[in-house]
Amino acid sequence: DIQMTQSPSSLSASVGERVTITCRASQGISNYLAWYQQKPGKVPKVLIYAASALQSGVPSRFRGSGSGTDFTLTISSLQPEDVATYYCQKFNSAPPFTFGPGTKVDIK
Amino acid sequence: QVQLVESGGGVVQPGGSLRLSCAASGLTFSGYDMHWVRQAPGKGLEWVAFIRSDGTNQYYADSVKGRFTVSRDNSKNTMYLQMNSLRAEDTAVYSCTKASRYCINGVCWYWFDPWGQGTLVTVSS
Repeated sequence: DIQMTQSPSSLSASVGERVTITCRASQGISNYLAWYQQKPGKVPKVLIYAASALQSGVPSRFRGSGSGTDFTLTISSLQPEDVATYYCQKFNSAPPFTFGPGTKVDIK
Repeated sequence: QVQLVESGGGVVQPGGSLRLSCAASGLTFSGYDMHWVRQAPGKGLEWVAFIRSDGTNQYYADSVKGRFTVSRDNSKNTMYLQMNSLRAEDTAVYSCTKASRYCINGVCWYWFDPWGQGTLVTVSS
């Protein structure tokens, strides 16, 4: 099975700072990757699908990039409402549809 | 709008069984693949099971294979998760979610949206 890893596991950044989260697949998955945001006590919300397509209604400060095995989620200017845990998920044709372990983002 | 509501969670002893339900509204349920995802307390997301829109295919995480069975009744807009031989490590909030998709030129990309609020399963003696 394809394994998904994320780094860092947590980060703390100032409001307005640029934040980058990395997701790596153990085998190539083309661009079959989604990113989710989960705020404390809430259900996950999709931010990005197809590695770089912004879901409708998601602020443009969120950007996804990458293909193959290496992917990045960038928040161009961190806002207080972005405090959450972020998960990547592989979604190619073959199950399991594995999530990464998550990256917790806090405000410094 | 699309709504997914889970039910059936509770406290069960190790080795016991439980059946979860996911009631869908606001969509043509029979047109969508569906999934179960769980989240243990303080832990990350774990995909559990998939069922195709017409119920013909099911897939499971290795951690539940042989113990859990996913099914659906499209006439009732409901998906189920039968959980047998439960273990302490199955303790989690179980959520159902719809596979949304975008297709172009015969190629499709998928993601989970929306999600239900989840139902808590606690396996403890």
